[in-house]
Amino acid sequence: DVKVTQSSRYLVKRTGEKVFLECVQDMDHENMFWYRQDPGLGLRLIYFSYDVKMKEKGDIPEGYSVSREKKERFSLILESASTNQTSMYLCASSPYRGQDGNSPLHFGNGTRLTVT
Amino acid sequence: GENVEQHPSTLSVQEGDSAVIKCTYSDSASNYFPWYKQELGKRPQLIIDIRSNVGEKKDQRIAVTLNKTAKHFSLHITETQPEDSAVYFCAASPPDSWGKLQFGAGTQVVVTP
Repeated sequence: DVKVTQSSRYLVKRTGEKVFLECVQDMDHENMFWYRQDPGLGLRLIYFSYDVKMKEKGDIPEGYSVSREKKERFSLILESASTNQTSMYLCASSPYRGQDGNSPLHFGNGTRLTVT
Repeated sequence: GENVEQHPSTLSVQEGDSAVIKCTYSDSASNYFPWYKQELGKRPQLIIDIRSNVGEKKDQRIAVTLNKTAKHFSLHITETQPEDSAVYFCAASPPDSWGKLQFGAGTQVVVTP
C-alpha cells in the first residue's frame, strides 16, 4: 500500500516566518503534488513535480516555492507566511504515465497550518 | 485551463436511499475523471474513476456515468449507509496535464439513520 507521509499534522506559525512542509512517499512515484484545501473551494494545486529537481506551478503558486532534491521527498516552502495561508495542505503522489497519462493520486494525511 | 463545477455542495439522504452528485467540466479534451471520498479528519481516497472511452462504471454500490457530449459526469451511491457520510470530490484531467487533476469544490454527504 502506498504511503505518503507528511511530517506535521498541525503547525502554528507567526506572520513573516519561513515555513517548511515536508512530504515523503515510499512507492518510488515520479509525480508529487502539493494541494491546498479550503472549505467551499475544494483542492487547489499549488505546485507539481514530475521528476527530481523538476517543478511546475499549479493554479495558486503565489507565496509558495517547492524543493525536490530526492525522488521520495517534496517540500513546500512558505517564504514569508501570511494569515491568508492558514489552510489544510495535502501532499500527493502518483506514478508517471507520460504527458497524456493519468493515474490516481495517493494523498498524505494533511498538515493543518495556522498563521497568526 | 480545466474548470470543474460540482453540485450540490451538501446532500442529506435517509439511510437506504440513493445519492447522486453531479460535476461538469469545461475542457472537452479531458479524458480521466476520478472520484475521491474524504471522511472527517482523514485523507482523500480514490473510490472510483472512469476514462473517456467508457460511459459507465460500477463497483458494488457505487457507479459513475460520463456524458462527453454534455461534458458532465455523475457519482451514484445506492442503498446508502451511515459510513457513506463524507465529503466527495470529483476531478478531471486533460490529456496533456502530466497527471495533474482539477478538483470540484466538494459535496458534503450526510446519511441519516
